[in-house]
Amino acid sequence: AQKITQTQPGMFVQEKEAVTLDCTYDTSDQSYGLFWYKQPSSGEMIFLIYQGSYDEQNATEGRYSLNFQKARKSANLVISASQLGDSAMYFCAMREAYTGANSKLTFGKGITLSVRP
Amino acid sequence: GAGVSQTPSNKVTEKGKYVELRCDPISGHTALYWYRQSLGQGPEFLIYFQGTGAADDSGLPNDRFFAVRPEGSVSTLKIQRTERGDSAVYLCASSLLAGYEQYFGPGTRLTVT
Repeated sequence: AQKITQTQPGMFVQEKEAVTLDCTYDTSDQSYGLFWYKQPSSGEMIFLIYQGSYDEQNATEGRYSLNFQKARKSANLVISASQLGDSAMYFCAMREAYTGANSKLTFGKGITLSVRP
Repeated sequence: GAGVSQTPSNKVTEKGKYVELRCDPISGHTALYWYRQSLGQGPEFLIYFQGTGAADDSGLPNDRFFAVRPEGSVSTLKIQRTERGDSAVYLCASSLLAGYEQYFGPGTRLTVT
């Protein structure tokens, strides 16, 4: 089974609107971390936000927030007030084990977001 | 400060040749990771260093792939007898400590003809 599932093939959003990018994950670990990265056409992976499995509050970073629903094993990224520069590929990733003992990231296939002016 | 840098940015080589890809992590970052990203896919883990030692090399696809980090800073990914299927973008990332957020370099696009 895939560890990270991102099924939305492509998303469109109007500038200044909010958009939700879906991510579900599969793990038997109790301790894990979830990440979102942005990859613009230039190719560089940009870290956006992190959620630990034991964190009680949903993570927020500026216009980015993570809707973490542990029982459903989902970690959706919400981008508020979309900007043209948000157009990019977005990847959800998981690190199994809360600490660094197993710190490699497993990525989903990504979602393309296009922001319309 | 300076981010993760990777050289070369592009590498074209013939099938069967040997290539080296270099990664210079963020200064002070102890953990270094190599990933491979094929077209239309997310990055796939190759190997992770903590300091000078490879802590996890479970993602290396076969023994043609090898990586070193002799002084705990710069790392080199080495690919012997390249095959067309090795064509991909090779991404390097570093983190302050293992388990913290990883910061990625711009990648090296390898094309094997």
